[in-house]
Amino acid sequence: GAGVSQSPSNKVTEKGKDVELRCDPISGHTALYWYRQSLGQGLEFLIYFQGNSAPDKSGLPSDRFSAERTGGSVSTLTIQRTQQEDSAVYLCASSVSGWSTDTQYFGPGTRLTVL
Amino acid sequence: SQQGEEDPQALSIQEGENATMNCSYKTSINNLQWYRQNSGRGLVHLILIRSNEREKHSGRLRVTLDTSKKSSSLLITASRAADTASYFCAQRGGGTSYGKLTFGQGTILTVHP
Repeated sequence: GAGVSQSPSNKVTEKGKDVELRCDPISGHTALYWYRQSLGQGLEFLIYFQGNSAPDKSGLPSDRFSAERTGGSVSTLTIQRTQQEDSAVYLCASSVSGWSTDTQYFGPGTRLTVL
Repeated sequence: SQQGEEDPQALSIQEGENATMNCSYKTSINNLQWYRQNSGRGLVHLILIRSNEREKHSGRLRVTLDTSKKSSSLLITASRAADTASYFCAQRGGGTSYGKLTFGQGTILTVHP
């Protein structure tokens, strides 16, 4: 079956612009996660969805970052007024139920470059 | 912030040799997981070891866990050039943070043919 897909694969934007990153999880997976990976910070957790609600959004770095999930499926991560430090690879993952022993399946990521 | 530390940061070996990567963590765990990443993009889950397990095998992979030392190791036996990748350990959060994985800094493994 299809894995986790993310779009776009690459995004170049100018400082101050808003961007939207999309994640399509594996069909039937109720849990969805966003992470980002940058040279300076490594792999960082951003937010976790169970269904359409987000019980843990502790990793969102500022109020410029927001995410939503609709219909228990697709999720969008929005970054407003982008800054150069937002440049990173944004990774989405999904798992069957969110239990701690669940395997998280990762998408290929979106590479965001803020000029 | 990263909770785990991995060593070595980089490892270069010849095909056929074994590769051992170590991970230390700071807080108590429910389980510890290892992931592989090729070319800086998607992560692939390799193996999960629960806190009440001491050793686990999957093909050429062997993972050990020592909860008293808060450390784990990943051994890849008879390495192949295709094993070249970055390897990360990750622990699952507890309490309200049970959803997230906290990753170590990773080990870059290069296997020379």
